[in-house]
Amino acid sequence: EIVLTQSPATLSLSPGERATLSCWASQSVGTSLAWYQQKPGQAPRLLIYDASNRATGIPARFSGSGSGTDFSLTISSLEPEDFAVYFCQQRSKWPPEITFGQGTRLEIK
Amino acid sequence: QVQLQESGPGLVKPSETLSLTCTVSGGSVSSGSHYWSWIRQTPGKGLEWIGYIYYTGSSTYNPSLKSRVAISVDTSNNQFSLRVRSVTAADTGVYFCARDAGATSPLNYNGVDVWGQGTTVTVSS
Repeated sequence: EIVLTQSPATLSLSPGERATLSCWASQSVGTSLAWYQQKPGQAPRLLIYDASNRATGIPARFSGSGSGTDFSLTISSLEPEDFAVYFCQQRSKWPPEITFGQGTRLEIK
Repeated sequence: QVQLQESGPGLVKPSETLSLTCTVSGGSVSSGSHYWSWIRQTPGKGLEWIGYIYYTGSSTYNPSLKSRVAISVDTSNNQFSLRVRSVTAADTGVYFCARDAGATSPLNYNGVDVWGQGTTVTVSS
């Protein structure tokens, strides 16, 4: 099983600041990595697919980068609605499996 | 736009079978571009992929759950379903049905782009 490790577990920042969240894979996943945002009581929402492509309707302040085992999600200037939990997720071809990271909680400082 | 809605009992007794159905609206489970997935969120393991099914009926499961899980698709009713046998308290959580957009080439991945709102399942006697 490919294990995804996210860092930090909690990130405390203020609106307007830049946020950088990290995700490491236990083995290479190429660019088969996605990022999601989840708010309390809601389902996750797809932000980034294929490591660096923004999903439909996602603001330009969200960007993803990386390949292989090291990935990051950057929010260039935090808006109040961005404070939530963020998950990374990989989909491997063989063996076919999907795994999620444990999440980073982005909280208001 | 495509919407997904989970339905099924919110309470299941230990050792019994959990059964959930996902109804797809605004789109078709027969779409050849997507995989229809079940994902759960539990206090113990966070977000956990259970498995997915293609419209042909071909399914793939999380190895850790494979012995207890079955996913089926009903193209005539535009639904897909989940069954988990021999449940324990560790199966308590929120269950999401979702659409996995798969890949458009061997090296890319398009993510899980549509999610149901989730349904809470509690395993308790």
